[in-house]
Amino acid sequence: EDKVVQSPLSLVVHEGDTVTLNCSYEVTNFRSLLWYKQEKKAPTFLFMLTSSGIEKKSGRLSSILDKKELFSILNITATQTGDSAIYLCARGGSNYKLTFGKGTLLTVNP
Amino acid sequence: SQTIHQWPATLVQPVGSPLSLECTVEGTSNPNLYWYRQAAGRGLQLLFYSVGIGQISSEVPQNLSASRPQDRQFILSSKKLLLSDSGFYLCAWNRRPGDGYTFGSGTRLTVV
Repeated sequence: EDKVVQSPLSLVVHEGDTVTLNCSYEVTNFRSLLWYKQEKKAPTFLFMLTSSGIEKKSGRLSSILDKKELFSILNITATQTGDSAIYLCARGGSNYKLTFGKGTLLTVNP
Repeated sequence: SQTIHQWPATLVQPVGSPLSLECTVEGTSNPNLYWYRQAAGRGLQLLFYSVGIGQISSEVPQNLSASRPQDRQFILSSKKLLLSDSGFYLCAWNRRPGDGYTFGSGTRLTVV
């Protein structure tokens, strides 16, 4: 069974804090690891990672993949209330479908 | 550019009534299409996927069904809704194995 496990399941921080979200996955036929942000509606794409050790950055968000230890992290620095959302991790394999984790609910308080 | 349309945005249906949710993709051909359900704002559960017209794979046995009558059209149906069918339904597409999805805007279904 394909499994993607995210931790923590929920997190409450104050504005300005730095957070690290974790995602571990199973290796079978691995092709990609993706991060999405979901607010009220549909998930929006953040990052797609295929190579180990190469950090991807977008503003205050960054992510990296470790294919040896089978995990990825998503970092958010200087958090803002607009970062409050569910962050979803997904694994892409040799078939077309993505397998999603349960998500991390991040709440950033002012 | 490619776009994906999903409707309706919200739906309140009585138990035992039928369901039809529609999803269409524009600007691409032969997309892989997916229906997911998200309960209680958490992880996404894959319900059905399709790699071509008339080809439907079911991931979870339940009282829902899916059809793909045209290349860029994907329909989720039920003959009789259950309370447990309530949730947020998302349509998505991609092209190649391992590619990320583009999601539709979602349908929030409440069965009463």
